[in-house]
Amino acid sequence: QVQLVQSGTEVKKPGASVKVSCKASGYTFSSYAINWVRQAPGQGLEWMGWISGYNGNTNYAQKFQGRVTMTTDTSTSTAYMELRSLGSDDTAEYYCARSFYNSGGGWFDPWGQGTLVTVSS
Amino acid sequence: DIQMTQSPSSLSASVGDRVTFTCRASQGINNYLAWYQQRPGKVPNLLIYAASTLRSGVPSRFSGSGSGTDFTLTISSLQPEDVATYYCQKYDSAPITFGQGTRLEIK
Repeated sequence: QVQLVQSGTEVKKPGASVKVSCKASGYTFSSYAINWVRQAPGQGLEWMGWISGYNGNTNYAQKFQGRVTMTTDTSTSTAYMELRSLGSDDTAEYYCARSFYNSGGGWFDPWGQGTLVTVSS
Repeated sequence: DIQMTQSPSSLSASVGDRVTFTCRASQGINNYLAWYQQRPGKVPNLLIYAASTLRSGVPSRFSGSGSGTDFTLTISSLQPEDVATYYCQKYDSAPITFGQGTRLEIK
């Protein structure tokens, strides 16, 4: 079955970076894009950007431009999201999700299980 | 950027009730609208895409309608397992945006 499995919980200090992985299985990785969405505690869903599984093209939300980098490793069908200069307001659950269109748009299905990133001194 | 506004922010209903959620886009998005259910402590799950197409495996008591700027999600007969927060999402182009969510509780 189509599945996205994310890396485990991270605890980081302010100013540090975090890199979260998302390993895909059950489908052709290059045929779809991967999106990253985060959810702060008790808050709603916030889209961070997408990366094409076909050619690695990215589209980042303006809020994260210059602070986020999304990459893929097609040999292992894995997507990565690195967020730099972490602050306490980056504490959140981070999800990867496959979008229907390879160009990035489309509905999200399935979602990874989430990776909790806690930023604390 | 197109903003998505959901109403109400929370809703309490009884088992068996018909429940309707509303999502409004600040500009027309044709039918590029999806609905997600997020049960407490769980991952969001796709319910509906293209405004009215039910994802395979989703109970038929869920339905969606609308086009352009105004959309609705309806649960025809509320069940206890439907307690969750429901989000709409516009996905036609970047930036992808979600509504702020509607929290559904059982009376």
